[in-house]
Order: sequence, then structure tokens, then C-alpha cells
Amino acid sequence: EAQVTQNPRYLITVTGKKLTVTCSQNMNHEYMSWYRQDPGLGLRQIYYSMNVEVTDKGDVPEGYKVSRKEKRNFPLILESPSPNQTSLYFCASRDIDGNQPQHFGDGTRLSIL
Amino acid sequence: GNSVTQMEGPVTLSEEAFLTINCTYTATGYPSLFWYVQYPGEGLQLLLKATKADDKGSNKGFEATYRKETTSFHLEKGSVQVSDSAVYFCALSGSRGAQKLVFGQGTRLTINP
Repeated sequence: EAQVTQNPRYLITVTGKKLTVTCSQNMNHEYMSWYRQDPGLGLRQIYYSMNVEVTDKGDVPEGYKVSRKEKRNFPLILESPSPNQTSLYFCASRDIDGNQPQHFGDGTRLSIL
Repeated sequence: GNSVTQMEGPVTLSEEAFLTINCTYTATGYPSLFWYVQYPGEGLQLLLKATKADDKGSNKGFEATYRKETTSFHLEKGSVQVSDSAVYFCALSGSRGAQKLVFGQGTRLTINP
């Protein structure tokens, strides 16, 4: 089954404690992306990757890092989380052709206290 | 830059009512247009798409037509069901560069029996 898998689904943690949200896809997609979803703001892109070792900033990259060492994995790293990063996060992937739809994971709800 | 504007929610309808959710966009070039749906506790799923002017996307009784002259992609359904209750996102994929997906703010739809 084609899918994008994120872990964890829920996490409550404290300010400053480094955390990583993993994302893996099994569709051999070149393009992967991270979004955060906040009420009234829709989804905003954090970082994206066009292929292995190729990453770039989205609209709201501050406070986040990513890496793309393998095609299937695209982890999101919060080196020093802060309360304003409390949000619902989605990983997505698609074929390199931007006319193709993105496939989304089920989301990770992060609460930073 | 590219942007998408959706009608504000929440929208509440009775079962079998006619649904329209308005979506207009601003973009350079010739973007592809999408509607995604998010059911409670889940990630976004593609509902329908259109890749060029006058294309009509359709799925599960929902339809939307790519209108370049009015820069619109309104979502319609003739007779809604309780199971259609969800959040609906209009989005566009730019036609240049990384072809970033830009979302509207989402419209929460509730259907009462």
C-alpha cells in the first residue's frame, strides 16, 4: 500500500529539548515536504526536498532543520523547540512533476510546554 | 507570489443540500489546481484536481472547474451526506521551479442529518 508514515503521532515535550519527527514514504517519490497546520492559516511549508541531498527552505523554516540522506526518509528536526512551534505537522511526498498530487502522512501533533 | 483564497467557514448544511465552497487564486503562469479533504484525525487526501483551463475535476460526487478568466476553482456537490463532514482545502501548484503547493486556509464543513 502506498503511504507516507510519520512518527510519533503525538508528542508533548518541554522547551529546549531536541526532538526529531520521522517521515518515510514507499512510493519512490523524489519530492518530499514538511508543513505545519495552524487554525486559520491553512498549511504552510517548512522545508522541501527535490531529491537526495537537495533541500530548501519553505515559507516558515525558522527553528527547523531537515535532512535527506535517503530517498525514502525526510526527518524534521527541532534543535531547541519553543512553545510557538506547538502545531500539527504533516509530511508529504509526490512525483517530481508538480502537476501530480501530494500524498500526506496522518500528521504529528506536537505540544511544546 | 502565488496565493489561494477560500470562503470562510465554518459551513453547516443539512443532508441532501447543495454545496458550494468558493476558491479563487492568484498565480503566475499556468498552475495546477487541487481540492484536498481532511477527515478528523487524518492527513489530507486528494479529492480532485485540474491541470489546465476549462478542465473539470470530479470525484465522489464533487466537481470543480478550472476557470482561468475568473481565476476560480469552486467546489460543488449536488447532495451532501453526513459523511462529507470534513475540512476542505483548495490549493495550487506553481508552474515554475519547485512547483510549490500553496494552500487556502481551509473550510470546515458540517452536515447535519
